[in-house]
Amino acid sequence: DTGVSQDPRHKITKRGQNVTFRCDPISEHNRLYWYRQTLGQGPEFLTYFQNEAQLEKSRLLSDRFSAERPKGSFSTLEIQRTEQGDSAMYLCASSLMGSTATEAFFGQGTRLTVV
Amino acid sequence: GEDVEQSLFLSVREGDSSVINCTYTDSSSTYLYWYKQEPGAGLQLLTYIFSNMDMKQDQRLTVLLNKKDKHLSLRIADTQTGDSAIYFCAAHTGRRALTFGSGTRLQVQP
Repeated sequence: DTGVSQDPRHKITKRGQNVTFRCDPISEHNRLYWYRQTLGQGPEFLTYFQNEAQLEKSRLLSDRFSAERPKGSFSTLEIQRTEQGDSAMYLCASSLMGSTATEAFFGQGTRLTVV
Repeated sequence: GEDVEQSLFLSVREGDSSVINCTYTDSSSTYLYWYKQEPGAGLQLLTYIFSNMDMKQDQRLTVLLNKKDKHLSLRIADTQTGDSAIYFCAAHTGRRALTFGSGTRLQVQP
């Protein structure tokens, strides 16, 4: 296990379509985060899981967004009825609860382009 | 909520030191982080500092924290062309997630 992996790396979709992204965290990490990064900005928090429980959701996470982590391992982020404003890099990160610094390790991201 | 601010751009010559600055608003921030992002890549954790520390050194990297002014800096000694990237400051408070700045683009000229 070399780190956090995300799939796909790139996704181009037409407006109105649904898309789903997958994140596989570092295997022993029990915390998983989703962030969104638009051009020229830092990542913005979307949602966070501890094991399979979704503990926090940002106001950025509209009703069209849903995230799951059914077995406390990998996670999926689905966007329904995509809009052009959803175009961004979607980053996943994981960390280990109880680690001294709660440092989060990030995946390479999924770049979404809505046309 | 927490707000993290950074200058947008820094240009240095190879071999010089780079200093990237960051300010944050929430005095209860417990950990402060520096991440590096190269084009098309994810975020790489460089270093972090706990809020009860003033300084942390890690090879070419030195982090200084002024808790009174809520000011954080990252110094890169002997900057190399491979250090060219965007550097993000991030703060961790009681929330589980990080709050990031907008990033500082470091350009290293040969």
